[in-house]
Amino acid sequence: EPEVTQTPSHQVTQMGQEVILRCVPISNHLYFYWYRQILGQKVEFLVSFYNNEISEKSEIFDDQFSVERPDGSNFTLKIRSTKLEDSAMYFCASSERREYEQFFGPGTRLTVL
Amino acid sequence: AQSVTQLGSHVSVSEGALVLLRCNYSSSVPPYLFWYVQYPNQGLQLLLKYTSAATLVKGINGFEAEFKKSETSFHLTKPSAHMSDAAEYFCAVSAGGTSYGKLTFGQGTILTVHP
Repeated sequence: EPEVTQTPSHQVTQMGQEVILRCVPISNHLYFYWYRQILGQKVEFLVSFYNNEISEKSEIFDDQFSVERPDGSNFTLKIRSTKLEDSAMYFCASSERREYEQFFGPGTRLTVL
Repeated sequence: AQSVTQLGSHVSVSEGALVLLRCNYSSSVPPYLFWYVQYPNQGLQLLLKYTSAATLVKGINGFEAEFKKSETSFHLTKPSAHMSDAAEYFCAVSAGGTSYGKLTFGQGTILTVHP
């Protein structure tokens, strides 16, 4: 069964460093998403991506964040200068159509020291 | 704008007992509603969804949910709990066809099943 994969599973970085979180969505899906979950809090929407551009973003998704689909399979989230409060589990998701269910990856736990 | 409230951050039931996880939503447009389950160290897995068809929705693993517009609720039920149902459950809402699929989640309910 096709699934969304994410790498790495755990990333530890120093404050101020850049990190790139990687995701491989399901191959025939067209809509891609990033969510995050700070420990003990809700899963929060960050950004949606369709047709090689951002379709919607939350107020969390400021200039420190960017997304890219560098090739036909990968979907990345970059945080340019990490802050302590960026420590969270980051989930990638994809869907075939925007009204269809989203399939989630296992997440990347980002720890900023 | 959409929002979701899950009543009860922890629910504990005995094996074989009814499972009831509560979800209330707020939406300015007809919503799409979802229940996801998360097992330890895994991603979110879709249990079921409501997308404006039948109000009683059946999902995987014997779960079902009923959309009640008058109560703005989408509670999740299972007649008989199994030990393997122990997990965290998330209710989520999207703005249906008017959005690009952004999901707004509740805070989650941890279900514990006792033997």
